[in-house]
Order: sequence, then C-alpha cells, then structure tokens
Amino acid sequence: AQKVTQAQTEISVVEKEDVTLDCVYETRDTTYYLFWYKQPPSGELVFLIRRNSFDEQNEISGRYSWNFQKSTSSFNFTITASQVVDSAVYFCALWGSARQLTFGSGTQLTVLP
Amino acid sequence: DAGVIQSPRHEVTEMGQEVTLRCKPISGHNSLFWYRQTMMRGLELLIYFNNNVPIDDSGMPEDRFSAKMPNASFSTLKIQPSEPRDSAVYFCASSLGAQSGTDTQYFGPGTRLTVL
Repeated sequence: AQKVTQAQTEISVVEKEDVTLDCVYETRDTTYYLFWYKQPPSGELVFLIRRNSFDEQNEISGRYSWNFQKSTSSFNFTITASQVVDSAVYFCALWGSARQLTFGSGTQLTVLP
Repeated sequence: DAGVIQSPRHEVTEMGQEVTLRCKPISGHNSLFWYRQTMMRGLELLIYFNNNVPIDDSGMPEDRFSAKMPNASFSTLKIQPSEPRDSAVYFCASSLGAQSGTDTQYFGPGTRLTVL
C-alpha cells in the first residue's frame, strides 16, 4: 500500500521568510516517483516537480528547492523568500506499482504581506 | 498550447438530476484521469482511461457514476441521479501514458459541482 503524509495542515509566514513543507511517504516499491503540485486559490492543480526514486539529488528552481531523502522517506519542499503569490495548497504525491497517484492531504500555505 | 479543458467550470443542480461533466485532454496524450476532491477525502482517483479504454474504475463510488471516452479528445463523467454528497470539485487530468511515473499528469481547472 502507498501512503503520503503531509503533517502540516496549515502554515502561515510573513513575506520574505523561508518556509519548508514536509512530505513523508510509505511504499514497498523500489521504483517510484514523487511529485509536488500547487493549488492556488483559483483552484487548478499545477505541476511543480517530479523526482524518481533513484535520483536523490536535490533540485533548485528559482526560489523553489526540493530535498529528497530515501533514508527518511521524505521529499520536502522549500520556498525561499516567500511571496504573497506563493499562497496556495501544496500537494505531495507518489506513483508506484499501483500505477496511480496517491496524494497527501495537502498543506495550506498563507504568505502574509 | 492548450491545457486540459473542462466544462462547465461550475454546476449547480438539484438532487435527482443528471449531471454531465466534460473534458478535453491535451492533444497527443493517451491517458485520461478523473479525480474528485472533497474536504473530507481529499483527492481521489475515480477512473482512468488509456487509449480511450477504461483501465481502472475501482474508484467510481457507485453505479450512479459512469464515464466514457468515445475518442481521444473527449471524455464525460456522468452522475445519474445526483445526490448532495456528490458535491465536490471534479478534476480531469491527462498524460502521455499511464504505465510509468515519468508520465506526468496535467490537470484541468476542475468543475465545481453543487447538488442541492
């Protein structure tokens, strides 16, 4: 069985602060993929990143960075110098042998001006 | 390039009525997925198609729900009869394939369904 846990239900920060969104997953698969999606107030789901289980290199894209650690089954997402436009619900998801995306419950991030 | 297109964006109906949600996947994508999002259950996969064929419909809640994909560019999700507990946001997503996690799913804007 696959499971994704996002323990942080809501996070509130002030603009320009750094914030890390946690994601912990469970799977017995050796090959799997991890994803992050963003759901802004407008409601759509926006793909942010995909990472496969054999690539533990951290990734940086602008103010976004991702830290994948197989040893702790975590795939955390950090936003540096947060902005009001970053306010959204962020979902972590896992794809494994079940061949379907299993989503976490999401973290509501609010960035205050 | 156009993304996944869903219509309508909002639907309000009364209990017992038939509801049809529509989706146009990204051109060239061979897999299409229907999800439902509620506060209580989060994002749930209802059904997915590969090359227009339903592959896994184990997430469809009950016989009141049905989905079709008559061609590569169109799919419908129908609820008949609708009930208040069906109120949710329904997302359609598409991907190039469905056999690997390298096939990223791209989501449409969703249809917010309210059943009174």
